[in-house]
Amino acid sequence: DIQMTQSPSTLSASVGDRVTITCRASQSISIWLAWYQQKPGKAPKLLIYKASSLESGVPSRFSGSGSGTEFTLTISSLQPDDFATYYCQHYNSYSYSFGQGTKLEIK
Amino acid sequence: EVQLVESGGGLVKPGGSLRLSCAASGFTFSSDRMNWVRQAPGKGLEWVSSITSGGSYIYYSDSVKGRFTISRDDAKNSLYLHMNSLRAEDTAVYYCARESRGVRSGSLDYWGQGTLVTVSS
Repeated sequence: DIQMTQSPSTLSASVGDRVTITCRASQSISIWLAWYQQKPGKAPKLLIYKASSLESGVPSRFSGSGSGTEFTLTISSLQPDDFATYYCQHYNSYSYSFGQGTKLEIK
Repeated sequence: EVQLVESGGGLVKPGGSLRLSCAASGFTFSSDRMNWVRQAPGKGLEWVSSITSGGSYIYYSDSVKGRFTISRDDAKNSLYLHMNSLRAEDTAVYYCARESRGVRSGSLDYWGQGTLVTVSS
């Protein structure tokens, strides 16, 4: 099974900062990667699909990049609403696997 | 508007059974692959099971294989998860989620609000 590893596990940042979260796959997954945002007590929200495609309605300050085994989610200028936990997710034809999550905290 | 509403969670003893339901509306349910994803308290997301349109293909994570059964009733726009031989480690919020269509396939674009399953004596 392909393992997804996110780093860091926790990230402290301030409003206006540019932040990057990394997700690494244990083997090449092409661009089969999505990113989600989750706030406490809420369901995850899709942000990015196919590694770099922005989901409709998601602010353009969010961007994704990468292919193969290394991927990044970048928030260009943090807004107060962005403090949440972020997950990467890989898909193959029969299963999904999530990274362990990155909690983005206010510094 | 797409809506997914889970129900059926609750407190169950180890070894017990439970059936979760997910009522779908606002889209052509029969056309879409549906999934169950769970989240243990304070932990990350874990995919549980998936069923393709028409029920042609069904997949499970190793952690639930042989104990859980996913099914769907397209006439009722409903997804189910039958859970048997429940263990403490199955305690989690269970979400139903739709796989995105077309070029967005492989991601999960709509999620329910979740239903909590607690396995404890």
